Amino acid sequence: GQQVMQIPQYQHVQEGEDFTTYCNSSTTLSNIQWYKQRPGGHPVFLIQLVKSGEVKKQKRLTFQFGEAKKNSSLHITATQTTDVGTYFCAGPKTGGSYIPTFGRGTSLIVHP
Amino acid sequence: KAGVTQTPRYLIKTRGQQVTLSCSPISGHRSVSWYQQTPGQGLQFLFEYFSETQRNKGNFPGRFSGRQFSNSRSEMNVSTLELGDSALYLCASRGGPEAFFGQGTRLTVV
Repeated sequence: GQQVMQIPQYQHVQEGEDFTTYCNSSTTLSNIQWYKQRPGGHPVFLIQLVKSGEVKKQKRLTFQFGEAKKNSSLHITATQTTDVGTYFCAGPKTGGSYIPTFGRGTSLIVHP
Repeated sequence: KAGVTQTPRYLIKTRGQQVTLSCSPISGHRSVSWYQQTPGQGLQFLFEYFSETQRNKGNFPGRFSGRQFSNSRSEMNVSTLELGDSALYLCASRGGPEAFFGQGTRLTVV
């Protein structure tokens, strides 16, 4: 079945440094979603990408969907302590379902 | 608009017992999904209910079951609890592609 792999598992950065997490799928995805989970919290939807090569920005966050629609990335510029949390990518289950299948996430630790 | 509500927030159960968790979705959302979150396995999909019917199912044993009521509220049941069932159980409701998660129920099996 479709699997979504995410790297790295953990990332420590100094406040102000950039951060990138990568998501790779074994199959072509119709779309990819990104979620953020703060420590002790629940996942919160950030964005959905649908088109091949799509790039979307939310303030300091830049999301990309690969040309082949098999990979995606999330880049944070000049991290802040408020960026701390685990970032998950999620692709839909096979069979056209909307149900997101999550990667294991990248935990971002920002050191002040 | 009220968010997704899960009850209880915390539970401690003994091995062999059963447990029922509840989820009230966002008003108007008919899809409710359940996930198990553990540090080692991440977010694992359990099942999805839509209009009282199970529409999708993950790879979990039959001890894990669920149902959905006519008001879209959903319950999840785990029978014969094992230590490995200790996890955060998250419910998500959807009216479209975006999933809205509840705060989760932290289940500890001792």
